[in-house]
Amino acid sequence: NAGVTQTPKFQVLKTGQSMTLQCAQDMNHEYMSWYRQDPGMGLRLIHYSVGAGITDQGEVPNGYNVSRSTTEDFPLRLLSAAPSQTSVYFCASSISRTGELFFGEGSRLTVL
Amino acid sequence: GQQVMQIPQYQHVQEGEDFTTYCNSSTTLSNIQWYKQRPGGHPVFLIQLVKSGEVKKQKRLTFQFGEAKKNSSLHITATQTTDVGTYFCAVGTSGTYKYIFGTGTRLKVLA
Repeated sequence: NAGVTQTPKFQVLKTGQSMTLQCAQDMNHEYMSWYRQDPGMGLRLIHYSVGAGITDQGEVPNGYNVSRSTTEDFPLRLLSAAPSQTSVYFCASSISRTGELFFGEGSRLTVL
Repeated sequence: GQQVMQIPQYQHVQEGEDFTTYCNSSTTLSNIQWYKQRPGGHPVFLIQLVKSGEVKKQKRLTFQFGEAKKNSSLHITATQTTDVGTYFCAVGTSGTYKYIFGTGTRLKVLA
């Protein structure tokens, strides 16, 4: 099993560009989530999903969009990138809403 | 909204010394999880606590859940250089599907 796979690992964008961070898991987990990590801020929840077709907002959802068309995939879309979205993004999945979170290796995004 | 505070933010210890980090919530928690993140790595699950007053041990690590289920602690006995990293608590509350992370405690161990 690959676990949770995130792509790309690194990305540089210009302000106003859009892009999608990909997240896939092969553990048949129902729960998936996206976090961003900034120095001194810990991990902040952006969006999460409790199953295919079901998504909801986390603590910092503005500027991000998600969809969950399959159990395996949970892409995160940046609609119009801003420098404030420079961060490390982690995707995580869990077998249930109370289970341990399995994290991907992260995607480092820089917005110029 | 949910607020989770972790203290201290940083801790430098000599190898062999003990270390404790605390996680405090503004609301009653349904459960709490602890994670460790090595420098440059991703968070890795350590343990989950569910019951009021629960204490769990993993070798040199001791985890405790407060009686009121609003706080928790992680204690490491006789730290080693392999303990270096940032320790996060993550809290869940009844009726939500969100896991909110604390700000983390960064531990440095001096050999």
